[in-house]
Amino acid sequence: QSVLTQPPSVSAAPGQKVTISCSGSSSNIGNNYVSWYQQLPRTAPKLLIYDNNKRPSGIPDRFSGSKSGTSATLGITGLQTGDEADYYCGTWDSSLSAGVFGGGTKVTVL
Amino acid sequence: EAQVVESGGGLVQRGGSLRLSCAASEFTFSRHWMSWVRQAPGKGLEWVANINQDGSEENYVDSVKGRFTISRDNAKNSLYLQMNNLRAEDTAVYHCARVRPAAIFVMDVWGQGTTVTVSS
Repeated sequence: QSVLTQPPSVSAAPGQKVTISCSGSSSNIGNNYVSWYQQLPRTAPKLLIYDNNKRPSGIPDRFSGSKSGTSATLGITGLQTGDEADYYCGTWDSSLSAGVFGGGTKVTVL
Repeated sequence: EAQVVESGGGLVQRGGSLRLSCAASEFTFSRHWMSWVRQAPGKGLEWVANINQDGSEENYVDSVKGRFTISRDNAKNSLYLQMNNLRAEDTAVYHCARVRPAAIFVMDVWGQGTTVTVSS
């Protein structure tokens, strides 16, 4: 059971938009920045979003992040077949003094 | 381009020990927190431990406290994870990751991982 809660899967047609939710508590999302990671099949995770809504260099603006209270959301617009991957939210938990991830969400392009 | 490469994984019996290494290159290693993250077969990511720039602060997930020790050698640009009293549930791919400057959790450079298998 992960500290952060994500839906197991989301899907949409090419060109459409998907959103992935990440729910936590005041000790983690509520008081710390959220980051999002993309893991393509058989590869290492890749940083997509940090500090709730910032994109590292090279990440297209089709990917966006937001946070409200104890929840965060990753949005992907203009969905492409290359976006099929597992997506994880993560943050620091101040009560645990440990990093925490969501269980991951598999994005399927129909 | 910044890079980290893990090594040291393998097959070990339950109760045994293993030391993972992570070699960093093309960035100033001593300026970054560093982390270990693992992924059990077919499962999601699990944060394991991190260490600050000079090695004076370490944090661990509860399940490895007292068994795993993270350390670093800034002169050798290397990160380590000493794993003792290994359990079947420690079987996973272990990734070394650089933490973004001014952050404690944001991991912006990842290695491909090294596989640890604990047999019972």
